[in-house]
Amino acid sequence: AQTVTQSQPEMSVQEAETVTLSCTYDTSESNYYLFWYKQPPSRQMILVIRQEAYKQQNATENRFSVNFQKAAKSFSLKISDSQLGDTAMYFCAFMKYSGGGADGLTFGKGTHLIIQP
Amino acid sequence: NAGVTQTPKFQVLKTGQSMTLQCAQDMNHNSMYWYRQDPGMGLRLIYYSASEGTTDKGEVPNGYNVSRLNKREFSLRLESAAPSQTSVYFCASSVVFGDTQYFGPGTRLTVL
Repeated sequence: AQTVTQSQPEMSVQEAETVTLSCTYDTSESNYYLFWYKQPPSRQMILVIRQEAYKQQNATENRFSVNFQKAAKSFSLKISDSQLGDTAMYFCAFMKYSGGGADGLTFGKGTHLIIQP
Repeated sequence: NAGVTQTPKFQVLKTGQSMTLQCAQDMNHNSMYWYRQDPGMGLRLIYYSASEGTTDKGEVPNGYNVSRLNKREFSLRLESAAPSQTSVYFCASSVVFGDTQYFGPGTRLTVL
């Protein structure tokens, strides 16, 4: 079974600063995907970014980028030029994928990110 | 294009009552999923349907049943609700099983 650990229950930064959210995972699988989802107060789960484990290049989506360290099983999210609208719960998630099939997502417990004006 | 829709948005039940949560997607996705989110936790997988006509158990299936009615719709049924089932329920879908999942807005269920 896979586990996902987010060690920062809450973080607070000033608007326009850069912030990094940590995520580590434990798996014996070699093929998998990693995700960051954002959950604002509206409760909607919104995909932020996705990383395929077989890709060495770190994924980037506008102000959001990841630092994927496969050997260390680490998958951190960096938010540059943070904005008030980035205030939300952020969940790291893991999904295995192999010839034997796939699973649903395994989520961490989340990090509550607060952007201060 | 509404994406993934869920009904109802809120529901209060008494212990022992039954109800069905409805989920529909208009993205022509093959796979659909049900998750629950408890306070201070990430989402946990209840059941999934990799393709029309198939359903499988996830991490926390006890107390629930599902029906993949057609390609668009995937319902979750609580036959005899218990207070431990108080949670927020999310439906999700993906193009194929193992692909990126897109979520509905959630249903907040309270069992008294």
